[in-house]
Amino acid sequence: EVQLVESGGGLVQPGRSLKLSCAASGFTFSDYNMAWVRQAPKKGLEWVATIIYDGSRTYYRDSVKGRFTISRDNAKSTLYLQMDSLRSEDTATYYCATHPLGARFDYWGQGVMVTVSS
Amino acid sequence: DIMLTQSPATLSVTPGESISLSCRASQSISTNLHWYQQKPNESPRVLIKYASQTISGIPSRFSGSGSGTDFTLNINRVEPEDFSVYYCQQSNSWPLTFGSGTKLEIK
Repeated sequence: EVQLVESGGGLVQPGRSLKLSCAASGFTFSDYNMAWVRQAPKKGLEWVATIIYDGSRTYYRDSVKGRFTISRDNAKSTLYLQMDSLRSEDTATYYCATHPLGARFDYWGQGVMVTVSS
Repeated sequence: DIMLTQSPATLSVTPGESISLSCRASQSISTNLHWYQQKPNESPRVLIKYASQTISGIPSRFSGSGSGTDFTLNINRVEPEDFSVYYCQQSNSWPLTFGSGTKLEIK
């Protein structure tokens, strides 16, 4: 059974940093592209970033480019999102998801809440 | 960026009715369009890939159609567990984008 478990969320002040993790199991992690998708409270879904299966390429939405870094450790089957210079508009539930072929998001974690507030 | 416009924003129906939800793209995306369902306090789950391809484990009452700019998600005879929010998402070009969602509610 595919499992994705996010951790690392919490309350953080504007301008500070936070690092999210996503532990994967039940599939061959190193074969899959992975992504982060977020959802602000009571709002819709928003793609954040994608990393290719071997870590060779990454893609970001413009609003997080230069502030967020997606990475992975295939030996640990873990996906990361380093979030720097956080803003109030980054407040959201962050989901990690498998992202085959950079197309649809097949499997989703349960999500982790990030609140950026002073 | 490719904008996806979903309509209606809210649809009120009675269980047993058959419905269609619309997703319109701001430019042609071929069939690079996927549909998701999200129930309250749950993670989204994918229902349909590449506009019309089925996903293993998804009930057969869900189907999709369309290409280019106009897409439709059909639910044949809505069941009580289908009342939730539905999103479309395009993978034709970066940045990947989602529609704003259609909420399906009980009349």
